[in-house]
Parts: sequence; C-alpha cells; structure tokens
Amino acid sequence: DSGVTQTPKHLITATGQRVTLRCSPRSGDLSVYWYQQSLDQGLQFLIHYYNGEERAKGNILERFSAQQFPDLHSELNLSSLELGDSALYFCASSVLAGSYNEQFFGPGTRLTVL
Amino acid sequence: DAKTTQPNSMESNEEEPVHLPCNHSTISGTDYIHWYRQLPSQGPEYVIHGLTSNVNNRMASLAIAEDRKSSTLILHRATLRDAAVYYCILYGSSNTGKLIFGQGTTLQVKP
Repeated sequence: DSGVTQTPKHLITATGQRVTLRCSPRSGDLSVYWYQQSLDQGLQFLIHYYNGEERAKGNILERFSAQQFPDLHSELNLSSLELGDSALYFCASSVLAGSYNEQFFGPGTRLTVL
Repeated sequence: DAKTTQPNSMESNEEEPVHLPCNHSTISGTDYIHWYRQLPSQGPEYVIHGLTSNVNNRMASLAIAEDRKSSTLILHRATLRDAAVYYCILYGSSNTGKLIFGQGTTLQVKP
C-alpha cells in the first residue's frame, strides 16, 4: 500500500459524458501527478501539481483538466469523453517536486467509455 | 527528453540474482536514474534511484557506470513476486515533474 488513494476504482460511462477522478496523496506530500495508461500508448504523463499550483504539463488533451485543492487532494476532470479515453488513470504523489524525489503511485482508476 | 534503452524481456530462475541493464548514453549531469516496476494489475512502484554512486535499499541495488552512460538494476534473489515490467527512467531538470516511461523490460521469474 503506497498511501495514495484513488476513487473510484472503476468507472463506466458513455461517450460525450464528463467524469471526475479523485486522488488523495500520501500524508505530507505536496506534489500530485496524473498519468494515463492505455494499451497502445503505454504510461503517459498528464500533469503535475505542487502545493496547489500547476508545475508541468504533458500531452494532456484540452478536454481534460485538473486541480489540486488546499487540502492537497487532486481531481482530474475528463469531459466530452471518447472511446479512446478508455484507460487506467494513475495518480502519484511525492514529498516535493525535485527529480531526486521518488513518486508513489495509487492503485488507479479504470475508465471504460462505451 | 533523454532516452533509455532496455531489453524488451528477460527471464530468471527463482532465488537467483537478476541483472537488468539500461543504456542512457545521452544522460546529462543533472539527471537522476530512477527505476520503477509495475506488477500485473497494479500501479507503478518505486524501486530505487541514484545520481552517480551505487545505491542499495531493501528492494534492490543500483550499479551506475563511471561515465553514467549505463546502469544495472540488481535483484539479489528473484522471487515470483518480482515478475513485473521494470522501467529505467532519467529524471532531471529538463523533465522535472514528469516521469517519461518507455517500454521497459518484462521480467519473467521461473520457479
């Protein structure tokens, strides 16, 4: 158990819908990261927040957005869902933001878009 | 982003040591070498990381070449639970905040 929690574990929805994925980092961690894992693209970095501020962005679609709240939990919002958005979404956290920090990953949310 | 090269797959026998190689000839001076693994149906798991010196922890050892252009993750006694995809990642100032995962090495452990 990494200490990072993600809800829900599974989500099934239809094309065109909007969903919100939630992540609670380990106690004391200020950084939260979101990753997407699909069969054809592998593990892809989406976005990084540090203490409430966006720090780095990957190939995150404009239909996707994220935020980190004052209590440090984070939400990833996915809208106008397409079939291709079906994937595992992982959240990770680390104490700070530097490259010497290891990231601790949650169990993931499996999103299925029908 | 600096790239790493790993073999697609490796096999090992249970209770034997495993050496997982990684080449990173374009590593920069500020890049840390991180290793993560992903067991089936789980999220990635941090294994070890280092900058210049060899590193040991309870899970594994990391041997870094003197020129830092390659490294080796060493599992001292493989168990069936070590069967996973192992990712070698360069993590530095040019990509701080984002772990760039490649294809990794799929390790099979035979009983």
